[in-house]
Amino acid sequence: GAGVSQSPSNKVTEKGKDVELRCDPISGHTALYWYRQSLGQGLEFLIYFQGNSAPDKSGLPSDRFSAERTGGSVSTLTIQRTQQEDSAVYLCASSLALGQGMQETQYFGPGTRLLVL
Amino acid sequence: AQSVAQPEDQVNVAEGNPLTVKCTYSVSGNPYLFWYVQYPNRGLQFLLKYITGDNLVKGSYGFEAEFNKSQTSFHLKKPSALVSDSALYFCAVSDFFSGGYNKLIFGAGTRLAVHP
Repeated sequence: GAGVSQSPSNKVTEKGKDVELRCDPISGHTALYWYRQSLGQGLEFLIYFQGNSAPDKSGLPSDRFSAERTGGSVSTLTIQRTQQEDSAVYLCASSLALGQGMQETQYFGPGTRLLVL
Repeated sequence: AQSVAQPEDQVNVAEGNPLTVKCTYSVSGNPYLFWYVQYPNRGLQFLLKYITGDNLVKGSYGFEAEFNKSQTSFHLKKPSALVSDSALYFCAVSDFFSGGYNKLIFGAGTRLAVHP
C-alpha cells in the first residue's frame, strides 16, 4: 500500500517568508509525528498528533512553528518568518494508535528539504 | 531522560564480511529500541525493533540486532555485508514513559560504507 507522502520534496525560500509543509500519513494511522533532521542537531522530535489533537508540542523550536491536522489525516507544519537556522529536512512519520504496552512502528515519509536563503 | 549513543561516526567494512553498528542506550524502565536506515535523499526506513522477548531480533534485508540488558546495548549486525547496505543508520529509543506515546529519541547516526 501507499506509504507516508510529503510535499514539497524541496523548498527554497527567502528569509522572512512563511512556508507550509504537508504530510499525508498511511491510511488508518491515527498517530502522526513531525521530526527535523539538521546537521547540527541530528534528528529531533517536533510534535505529536493523536487524531486531530496535539498532546505534545514540546519539540517545536519557537512560536514561529505551528502544526495542525485535519480529519485525522493530513497534517501541515507551518513555519512563519523563516530564518536560516530553520534550514533542515522535515520528516513526518505515522503509526497505528498505541495499544496498552505496545509500541507501534513509525513509518517515515521521504521528507521535505527546506533551504532558507 | 532517555538517550541513545552511537559511538562510531562511520564504519567501514569489506563486502562479504560481517558488520556491526553499535548502539548503547539509557532509559528509565524497560527499553523499546529501534533501528532505521536512511539512504541518500530518502526518509528513514524501519529495519527492526526490540520490545520484549528474544534478545536476538531479526529484521529487514538480513539485518539483526542483539539486545543486551547488562551492557545496555542494541548493536545492529549482518553476517555478510553488501555494497548496497552503504547508508546512514540510526538507533532510537522510545520515550514512551514520558507521555504514553512513541516519541523517538535518536542517536547521531552511523555511516556505513561497504567496499567492494
